[in-house]
Amino acid sequence: GDSVTQMEGPVTLSEEAFLTINCTYTATGYPSLFWYVQYPGEGLQLLLKATKADDKGSNKGFEATYRKETTSFHLEKGSVQVSDSAVYFCALSYGGATNKLIFGTGTLLAVQP
Amino acid sequence: DAGVIQSPRHEVTEMGQEVTLRCKPISGHNSLFWYRQTMMRGLELLIYFNNNVPIDDSGMPEDRFSAKMPNASFSTLKIQPSEPRDSAVYFCASRGVGTSGGSSYNEQFFGPGTRLTVL
Repeated sequence: GDSVTQMEGPVTLSEEAFLTINCTYTATGYPSLFWYVQYPGEGLQLLLKATKADDKGSNKGFEATYRKETTSFHLEKGSVQVSDSAVYFCALSYGGATNKLIFGTGTLLAVQP
Repeated sequence: DAGVIQSPRHEVTEMGQEVTLRCKPISGHNSLFWYRQTMMRGLELLIYFNNNVPIDDSGMPEDRFSAKMPNASFSTLKIQPSEPRDSAVYFCASRGVGTSGGSSYNEQFFGPGTRLTVL
């Protein structure tokens, strides 16, 4: 079945460091891919998305490219801030009214000043 | 739009008591999801509805859990009787359909969650 695998955390970085959180997926079809972010004490929010191969999603300085050949959707940011500290979830979903999001286990990012 | 609304935000109860969690989805969304999040098990999908009809309840842990969606603007998740291992944050999410570059995609919007503590 379809699944999402992301790197184990926590990831601890200093402010202004470069961030990569790896995400790979297994899919029987051609899903859309997402990164969600969960700040402390809050629900998940959509951070960025890509709906087809080679698409690049971007938002708030974060980027991820839908790589069909490597079945990956790695999250990157050139310079992290303390305010980026959160849990990041990679997910996939097919279109259609009855399909659900399949989430990875989440990666905790802690950015130190 | 106020987003997905959940109530209560915090609930503390004693083992054996009935607990009812409530969710109001975003107007116009026709899919609704209930999740549970714990440190040990991460984020788990419990059940989801489409057009008020349960589509997949395979994540509901046991018969003590039940969920209803009597109309498009309201859903409940009930635990009866509650147990300490049910302590978790319960999230509700609703889904709308967006478009990007000619492709449609499903985007879920999460509520703030209900933190349940069963003593």
